[in-house]
Amino acid sequence: DSGVTQTPKHLITATGQRVTLRCSPRSGDLSVYWYQQSLDQGLQFLIQYYNGEERAKGNILERFSAQQFPDLHSELNLSSLELGDSALYFCASSAGLRPSDTQYFGPGTRLTVL
Amino acid sequence: GESVGLHLPTLSVQEGDNSIINCAYSNSASDYFIWYKQESGKGPQFIIDIRSNMDKRQGQRVTVLLNKTVKHLSLQIAATQPGDSAVYFCAENRSPGRRALTFGSGTRLQVQP
Repeated sequence: DSGVTQTPKHLITATGQRVTLRCSPRSGDLSVYWYQQSLDQGLQFLIQYYNGEERAKGNILERFSAQQFPDLHSELNLSSLELGDSALYFCASSAGLRPSDTQYFGPGTRLTVL
Repeated sequence: GESVGLHLPTLSVQEGDNSIINCAYSNSASDYFIWYKQESGKGPQFIIDIRSNMDKRQGQRVTVLLNKTVKHLSLQIAATQPGDSAVYFCAENRSPGRRALTFGSGTRLQVQP
């Protein structure tokens, strides 16, 4: 158990809908990262927050947004969902901002868009 | 469990043998590398890391080798066990200061009893 929790574990929804994925980082970790893992793209970095502020952006679509709250949990919002958004979404947390701060991954949320 | 990357290269080894999983990276400015293990239905799990100023690092039953000349990273697992069966990803920090990791496509390790 990495100490990172994600809810829900599974999510099934329809095209055009909006969903929110939730992540609680490990106790004491200030950085949260979101990744998307699909069969054809592998693990892709989406976005990073540190202590409530956005710090880095990767291949995140404009339809997707995220935030980190004062209690350090984070939410990833996916809107106008398309079939291609079906994937595993992972949250990871690390203590700080250094690249060498180990990223610990949560168990993921499996999103299925029908 | 759920399968990730159904078309991954697969390494099949006998229990007790040593395993070597390879990874090529493209960015010579990458300064930090990590190996992750992902079991079916779970998130990636940190195994071992290495900085670019090193060429070898050892952990418990695992060794990571870094060859910057040919931009190659390898993970050696000694005395492979059935519990080592998983998908293994290398990840790199592609430029100094950049905080996001870039993951390789992964290798599936199958350990035969």
